[in-house]
Amino acid sequence: EAQVTQNPRYLITVTGKKLTVTCSQNMNHEYMSWYRQDPGLGLRQIYYSMNVEVTDKGDVPEGYKVSRKEKRNFPLILESPSPNQTSLYFCASGVLGSNEQFFGPGTRLTVL
Amino acid sequence: DQQVKQNSPSLSVQEGRISILNCDYTNSMFDYFLWYKKYPAEGPTFLISISSIKDKNEDGRFTVFLNKSAKHLSLHIVPSQPGDSAVYFCAASKERAGTASKLTFGTGTRLQVTL
Repeated sequence: EAQVTQNPRYLITVTGKKLTVTCSQNMNHEYMSWYRQDPGLGLRQIYYSMNVEVTDKGDVPEGYKVSRKEKRNFPLILESPSPNQTSLYFCASGVLGSNEQFFGPGTRLTVL
Repeated sequence: DQQVKQNSPSLSVQEGRISILNCDYTNSMFDYFLWYKKYPAEGPTFLISISSIKDKNEDGRFTVFLNKSAKHLSLHIVPSQPGDSAVYFCAASKERAGTASKLTFGTGTRLQVTL
């Protein structure tokens, strides 16, 4: 089944404790992206990647890192999480040249 | 600065009637527009899109209209069905070719279709 998977789905952590949210897609998509969804703000793009080893900042990249060492994986790294990073995170993938993006089920992160 | 705005947080429509969801944008560099649908506990799914060179795009019960001079687009669902109840996000991209590399989303409108 073609899908985007994210792990974990739910995470509660404390300020300053490094964490990684994994994202994997099995559709051989070149494009991958991370978004966060917050009440009243919609989805905001954090980082995106057009291909392996190619990443770029979205609208809200501060406090996040990403890497794209393999085509299928695009982990989101929070080196020192803070409470304002409490949010619902979505990973997405797509084919370059197509407008359609496929989203994962989301990761709900709470930073205390 | 919200460049893509969906001013109605919620909308309730009777089954069988038309649902009209609105979206306004401020950045004239946006060239490609998309609508996504989101059910609870799931990720958004792509619904329909429109390029700025068109003013209408239709796909089954879903039609998107674009008024570039007014910087306004709308999604029409006819007829509305209970399964259409979801949150709808409008999104915009500056890339005409639809690479969708950098999407700017609106805040979403929750549509409830009642029996």
